[in-house]
Amino acid sequence: AQSVAQPEDQVNVAEGNPLTVKCTYSVSGNPYLFWYVQYPNRGLQFLLKYITGDNLVKGSYGFEAEFNKSQTSFHLKKPSALVSDSALYFCAVGYNNDMRFGAGTRLTVKP
Amino acid sequence: DTEVTQTPKHLVMGMTNKKSLKCEQHMGHRAMYWYKQKAKKPPELMFVYSYEKLSINESVPSRFSPECPNSSLLNLHLHALQPEDSALYLCASSQGDRASYEQYFGPGTRLTVT
Repeated sequence: AQSVAQPEDQVNVAEGNPLTVKCTYSVSGNPYLFWYVQYPNRGLQFLLKYITGDNLVKGSYGFEAEFNKSQTSFHLKKPSALVSDSALYFCAVGYNNDMRFGAGTRLTVKP
Repeated sequence: DTEVTQTPKHLVMGMTNKKSLKCEQHMGHRAMYWYKQKAKKPPELMFVYSYEKLSINESVPSRFSPECPNSSLLNLHLHALQPEDSALYLCASSQGDRASYEQYFGPGTRLTVT
């Protein structure tokens, strides 16, 4: 079975600075990788996914993620953080008709 | 329309009550899901309806009972719940299997069991 890890419970960045939210995965084959964001008292919103091809995936709200097969990572990035990006971010890995969420990382962007 | 709707938004119920949560999507998706989410935790999958076939998470207690009247609607029937069942209940849908297709989530029902 696949597994996914988000090593940081909390990430703090200043507005305007680049942000990275880390995700690593473990799967025996080729996975599908997803990022979701959750704002307070809301459902999850899909940001982007990696299937195959270009290792840099662009998604909603200026977010992108870089797939690194050798490091089994799929880190979420944004060149310039906004205060409104403050939320809970979940990485997910899909494989063999199953999908697992990471534990989540709380991103706080300070003005 | 890329929206999943859920009703009610909030629900308070006693341990002897029977209530139902409702979910609807009009995206033509063939898979729908119920998740339970505790604060600051990832969603936990409870049930999957894929092409109107039910898959169950064996750890979900029988006091939760799903129903899929048609491919657009998904209900979750609640009976004799416990205080530890208090959580945010999320409905989601996807175009195909959940490993390879992104899921679209509703806003959730905040359930409190007293």
